[in-house]
Order: sequence, then C-alpha cells, then structure tokens
Amino acid sequence: QQQVKQSPQSLIVQKGGISIINCAYENTAFDYFPWYQQFPGKGPALLIAIRPDVSEKKEGRFTISFNKSAKQFSLHIMDSQPGDSATYFCAAKGGNNRKLIWGLGTSLAVNP
Amino acid sequence: DAGVIQSPRHEVTEMGQEVTLRCKPISGHNSLFWYRQTMMRGLELLIYFNNNVPIDDSGMPEDRFSAKMPNASFSTLKIQPSEPRDSAVYFCASIQAGTANTEAFFGQGTRLTVV
Repeated sequence: QQQVKQSPQSLIVQKGGISIINCAYENTAFDYFPWYQQFPGKGPALLIAIRPDVSEKKEGRFTISFNKSAKQFSLHIMDSQPGDSATYFCAAKGGNNRKLIWGLGTSLAVNP
Repeated sequence: DAGVIQSPRHEVTEMGQEVTLRCKPISGHNSLFWYRQTMMRGLELLIYFNNNVPIDDSGMPEDRFSAKMPNASFSTLKIQPSEPRDSAVYFCASIQAGTANTEAFFGQGTRLTVV
C-alpha cells in the first residue's frame, strides 16, 4: 500500500512555464513534507520542505502549497528552465519516525 | 565534508556471485538508510540504522540481502547470491537525527548489474 501518491508520472513544460507536481498522503500523523530533486547519475537532494503549520512555502522559483484538510501538497516551479529537468520526489514522515515515505517520482522535462 | 560516499559506483557481476556495496555516511550523522531505486518501483527503503543499530529492515526483499553497520562511519549491504532482478541503483543516505534538521543526504549511488 503506497501511502504517498504522486502525479503526474512525467511532465513536459516549455521554458518559462509553470511546472506543477502533486502528492496526496493518507497518514494524518505525517508532519514533514519534503521535495527532493534528482539529476541523472546523482542521488536525490533536498529541494524544499514544509511542515503543516503553514499552507505555503516559497524559495526562489520553487513553492510548496499544502492543503491539510485535503491531505495534499504540491510543488510549483515558476519560470521553468531547462536546468530544472530532473526527477522530483515528494515524501512524508511523521513525528520521531526517521523513515521517509516516498512518492514514485515525476520526470520533468523543460523544453528550451 | 565530502558528503555520503558510496563504493563502487558501478558493479557488474554474474548471477550467483556475492556483491558487497559500501557506504560512508557524513561524519556526525547517526541515522543511515539503504535504498534501492528502479524504474518500476521507484525508491524503496531497504533498511535503516540509528546509532549503528538496525531499526527497520522490513524493506529487505529476501534473506539474500543483509546489511551491517559495524561503526558510525561505515556500512555494507551484501547480496548473496545475486540475481538479475537485483539489478538497480542502490543509494545510501544519512541524517543528523535528533536535531530539527531532518534533511537526508544521499550518496551518488551504486549501479548494480547482475548478468
């Protein structure tokens, strides 16, 4: 049973466009929601993360929107650039549990 | 710090052979995770250690897989005997648990091919 569902599986966006990736979770005990970015041949790296006490967090062109009642969170990449082409993973964890529950990933391609 | 260091970067082996993957976590990090990544199943957590003690090995697929962490600076993931379906990229990650920072730092992975 997958506890974090991520969509879409792949996404193609034109340069300058907005990329939107969505995740839904089931466990209401989750209290930490990170997004990781992975380039080919590299390990995932933390991009941005949010806790449920806020509904939005922005870092540069990257924004997380969080909807606690719907148990959903999303990543928005504004002014998408070819260098943003990568695989993006959402994840979640709860309390003192160190184990992250991962989405299956979204392969993003930004066309020049 | 050089980050999480994994070796080898690539491993090609024949079915039935023993494979050992190695990981050096970031100094001061006390939680270590082994993941397997495939196109079909994404990132799967195999096992994680806290203070060198295995906490959750429910993701280890079979008895052919074993992991050890003899000290805070070294861990191994062993597959014996290896099978073609074990072909994947294996990642090690570490976290400085016990602080507000919960960021997981990943190594560059070991690409395993079993032929």
